[in-house]
Amino acid sequence: DSGVTQTPKHLITATGQRVTLRCSPRSGDLSVYWYQQSLDQGLQFLIQYYNGEERAKGNILERFSAQQFPDLHSELNLSSLELGDSALYFCASSVGQRPQETQYFGPGTRLLVL
Amino acid sequence: AQKITQTQPGMFVQEKEAVTLDCTYDTSDPSYGLFWYKQPSSGEMIFLIYQGSYDQQNATEGRYSLNFQKARKSANLVISASQLGDSAMYFCAMREPFYNQGGKLIFGQGTELSVKP
Repeated sequence: DSGVTQTPKHLITATGQRVTLRCSPRSGDLSVYWYQQSLDQGLQFLIQYYNGEERAKGNILERFSAQQFPDLHSELNLSSLELGDSALYFCASSVGQRPQETQYFGPGTRLLVL
Repeated sequence: AQKITQTQPGMFVQEKEAVTLDCTYDTSDPSYGLFWYKQPSSGEMIFLIYQGSYDQQNATEGRYSLNFQKARKSANLVISASQLGDSAMYFCAMREPFYNQGGKLIFGQGTELSVKP
């Protein structure tokens, strides 16, 4: 158990819908990262928050947004869902942003868009 | 551009034997971290081992060791005494300083390891 929790574990929804994925980082970790894993794109960085502030954006679509709350949990919002959004979404956390710090991953949310 | 390359899409190893999974990386930053993660069929990403760019010695964690050759920009994972439970996808990843997109991880394409009884 990495100490990072993600809910829900599985999500099945229809095209055009909106979903929210939730992540709670490990105790003491200030940095939260969201990644998407799909068969064709592999593991891709989406967005990062540090102590409540957005710090970096990767290949995140405009239909996707995220935030980190004062208690440091984070939510990833996916809207106007398309079939291609079906993927495994991971949240990872680390103490800070240094390259020496390990990112610990949550169990992931498996999203299926029908 | 930063890049991680894993050239072995799939590998087989006999139970109790050692296996080496290859990883090469490319970066122009002198400060970076190299990580290996295991992803079993259940899907979770499990941290295995870390090597820092300034570390003089190769990292070891139980049956896992990292063969770090900085000049060749390689960070191969060695699993000794393979077990059936080692069958999984293995990802090599690199993390750069925060000014490079907040210290995100860059992943290779992964190597699927199958351990034969």
